[in-house]
Amino acid sequence: LAKTTQPISMDSYEGQEVNITCSHNNIATNDYITWYQQFPSQGPRFIIQGYKTKVTNEVASLFIPADRKSSTLSLPRVSLSDTAVYYCLVGDMGDYKLSFGAGTTVTVRA
Amino acid sequence: NAGVTQTPKFQVLKTGQSMTLQCAQDMNHEYMSWYRQDPGMGLRLIHYSVGAGITDQGEVPNGYNVSRSTTEDFPLRLLSAAPSQTSVYFCASSRTTGADAFFGPGTRLTVL
Repeated sequence: LAKTTQPISMDSYEGQEVNITCSHNNIATNDYITWYQQFPSQGPRFIIQGYKTKVTNEVASLFIPADRKSSTLSLPRVSLSDTAVYYCLVGDMGDYKLSFGAGTTVTVRA
Repeated sequence: NAGVTQTPKFQVLKTGQSMTLQCAQDMNHEYMSWYRQDPGMGLRLIHYSVGAGITDQGEVPNGYNVSRSTTEDFPLRLLSAAPSQTSVYFCASSRTTGADAFFGPGTRLTVL
């Protein structure tokens, strides 16, 4: 699995947009980029997945440049309930072994 | 659908004791897995299964056994508990490889 690097923590305020960038310089041709969210005392929850360009759903947007060596998860207008750890995962769609790093702890303040 | 359920939610063991963590899913997912999460760290894969009767080791399998006799259930057995196994254990399932995985609520295990 491609190694990923993401910031350890980020602080934000309610109503702001939060952008978390994940670096994955060794991403392979068959690899997809997936983001999970984990609230305290809960299991991770799938947020979004993409291969290239931009993907958007009701929760977030995922921006992937043409070289795919990085990706940015964008959380629009965050609220206190968005305080969580966000994990960036990179792996082949045929590989079931999810590999979680330490993630990015996002703290949203009032 | 209940999704992925895990029992118990909390457990305290003494060193050397054995126990089984239960995991069940009602989504008819083929893929199931067990992870452990230590404080301030990401999740590490213990064992996984790609279908009934098929299991394989993950990143940290030592001290744990699994079996998959049905599609729904994937229990994790601690053979002889050690303090190093104090952790939060998560079970997950997914429809296919690489697809979004559904995680259970976790079991918080303390080994004294």
